[in-house]
Amino acid sequence: GENVEQHPSTLSVQEGDSAVIKCTYSDSASNYFPWYKQELGKRPQLIIDIRSNVGEKKDQRIAVTLNKTAKHFSLHITETQPEDSAVYFCAASSTGTASKLTFGTGTRLQVTL
Amino acid sequence: SAVISQKPSRDICQRGTSLTIQCQVDSQVTMMFWYRQQPGQSLTLIATANQGSEATYESGFVIDKFPISRPNLTFSTLTVSNMSPEDSSIYLCSVDSGRWHEQFFGPGTRLTVL
Repeated sequence: GENVEQHPSTLSVQEGDSAVIKCTYSDSASNYFPWYKQELGKRPQLIIDIRSNVGEKKDQRIAVTLNKTAKHFSLHITETQPEDSAVYFCAASSTGTASKLTFGTGTRLQVTL
Repeated sequence: SAVISQKPSRDICQRGTSLTIQCQVDSQVTMMFWYRQQPGQSLTLIATANQGSEATYESGFVIDKFPISRPNLTFSTLTVSNMSPEDSSIYLCSVDSGRWHEQFFGPGTRLTVL
């Protein structure tokens, strides 16, 4: 089955700096890669996703890149703000397998003033 | 995106008992899933709830422990049976949007087993 590794497990940045979280996956059949943000006590929220026919996708301050050859994808957050502090999860799925998501282990991002 | 609700939001249960968690969606969805999130951990898929047929369980999860119902396209239940303290977790349902297979999560049920 799919295995997703995520690094780093914790990340502390100063407000205004950039943050990068990296994930690798094992199943070459995976073609959908979402990122979720989970604030304390809340449900995971989908913040951005990318599909295997695209190399990069941006949405305001967040962007995701995908390297299919190397089987890795990354989340980039620019101009970080305190409200970006949360746990971020990457995930992978093959839409041919009922869209089951395999999650990474999570990154706790702390944005300090 | 669909509005997803879960009941109960939290519960404290005694070991050996069972708890049924409900997941309701405000629109018909093809795919519904149940995940477990142990304290401070990531999300692990328990099973895919199939409408009109038995759920599809992931490795390590069995129907006798986690029976699932999916009577229609807007509702599913997950039962945690014969609970032990190791079952203390957050249980989340999710739905596949269908369009591009985006998944959205319910608010979760925080279960504590004493």
